[in-house]
Amino acid sequence: ETGVTQSPTHLIKTRGQQVTLRCSSQSGHNTVSWYQQALGQGPQFIFQYYREEENGRGNFPPRFSGLQFPNYSSELNVNALELDDSALYLCASRGDGNSGNTIYFGEGSWLTVV
Amino acid sequence: AQSVSQHNHHVILSEAASLELGCNYSYGGTVNLFWYVQYPGQHLQLLLKYFSGDPLVKGIKGFEAEFIKSKFSFNLRKPSVQWSDTAEYFCAVRDSGAGSYQLTFGKGTKLSVIP
Repeated sequence: ETGVTQSPTHLIKTRGQQVTLRCSSQSGHNTVSWYQQALGQGPQFIFQYYREEENGRGNFPPRFSGLQFPNYSSELNVNALELDDSALYLCASRGDGNSGNTIYFGEGSWLTVV
Repeated sequence: AQSVSQHNHHVILSEAASLELGCNYSYGGTVNLFWYVQYPGQHLQLLLKYFSGDPLVKGIKGFEAEFIKSKFSFNLRKPSVQWSDTAEYFCAVRDSGAGSYQLTFGKGTKLSVIP
């Protein structure tokens, strides 16, 4: 048990639609990051938030956006969905300082775009 | 930009066989290195990590890895695998000087252990 929960576990969307994926982290974990894992690939870093501010971004377009809330929950929003957005989306959280050397992953949300 | 290469896409072993999974990274700076395991339907779980010090790192479930800086490698080993080790294994690297805690993952190696 990592203390990171994600919802929904599975969903299907149509190309062009928008989707919001949610994550709840452990209390005290001020850093949350999101990863995209396409089938047969390793996870790819989308972006990271620290205390509600984005402080790192991977090679993803602006239609991928996020929010982090003071209650250790966060969201990943994807606009104008494309077929290639079909993937497992992983949320990960970590604490501050030395306790932040370990990242805890959730089980992910499977998104299928048709 | 960093990249991680895992040499084997799929490895099939019999129980009690020894395991070595290769991982090479490309980055000239100081790095943190990780191995994660993903059992079917479960979350990514940290097996072990290297930050500094002894380059031979021991992790959970009898796994170990050796950091060889000159070869940019961080291979995962286990002397005797069990059927329960069947899973996908991911090597990851982080630029330890970066502000964000971004991990760069390899494509993964699927391990199948035959009873």
